[in-house]
Amino acid sequence: RKEVEQDPGPFNVPEGATVAFNCTYSNSASQSFFWYRQDCRKEPKLLMSVYSSGNEDGRFTAQLNRASQYISLLIRDSKLSDSATYLCVVNIGNFNKFYFGSGTKLNVKP
Amino acid sequence: DTGVSQDPRHKITKRGQNVTFRCDPISEHNRLYWYRQTLGQGPEFLTYFQNEAQLEKSRLLSDRFSAERPKGSFSTLEIQRTEQGDSAMYLCASWIPEAGYTFGSGTRLTVV
Repeated sequence: RKEVEQDPGPFNVPEGATVAFNCTYSNSASQSFFWYRQDCRKEPKLLMSVYSSGNEDGRFTAQLNRASQYISLLIRDSKLSDSATYLCVVNIGNFNKFYFGSGTKLNVKP
Repeated sequence: DTGVSQDPRHKITKRGQNVTFRCDPISEHNRLYWYRQTLGQGPEFLTYFQNEAQLEKSRLLSDRFSAERPKGSFSTLEIQRTEQGDSAMYLCASWIPEAGYTFGSGTRLTVV
């Protein structure tokens, strides 16, 4: 089993739609969680950290469910510019090493 | 400009040749990571440095791979006797708790 697993998608949604991605992780001791965005042939860029209490940044909401060992990303009112691959990142074991999921591809259509 | 520079951006090499990549991290970031990414996959951890000390290496880093960070500033990743399976994007990142990873634009390696 992979340390971090994501649905690869693609998720094809119309503009204005709400879409949610989940990411499951295997190590219950994990403490740090992030969502990164990666555009085609570009480097990953930090979208948001995921806090235990959940956090929101504009149209984006991230949540952590420790009991079920998953994090989620909700995007409201999708824009064409949201089209990208979304990577979840989790630290495994110690605080110095992080694992990336394979990413979930989102296509927002006009 | 992400603040992390990688050179070269692209490298095409023949199988069996040696290649070396360079990464210049954000100057105040002590921690530097190397990741490898293939098409359709997320970045895979290779190794990381705390200042000049290489603290951990992945099993993915075979004997043909070596990384250095002399003086705790820039880092190099060398691959000896390249194989076609080494073709990938090699990403360097510096890291601080407040900002997470800041990645460079990567070096895309193609082994022919």
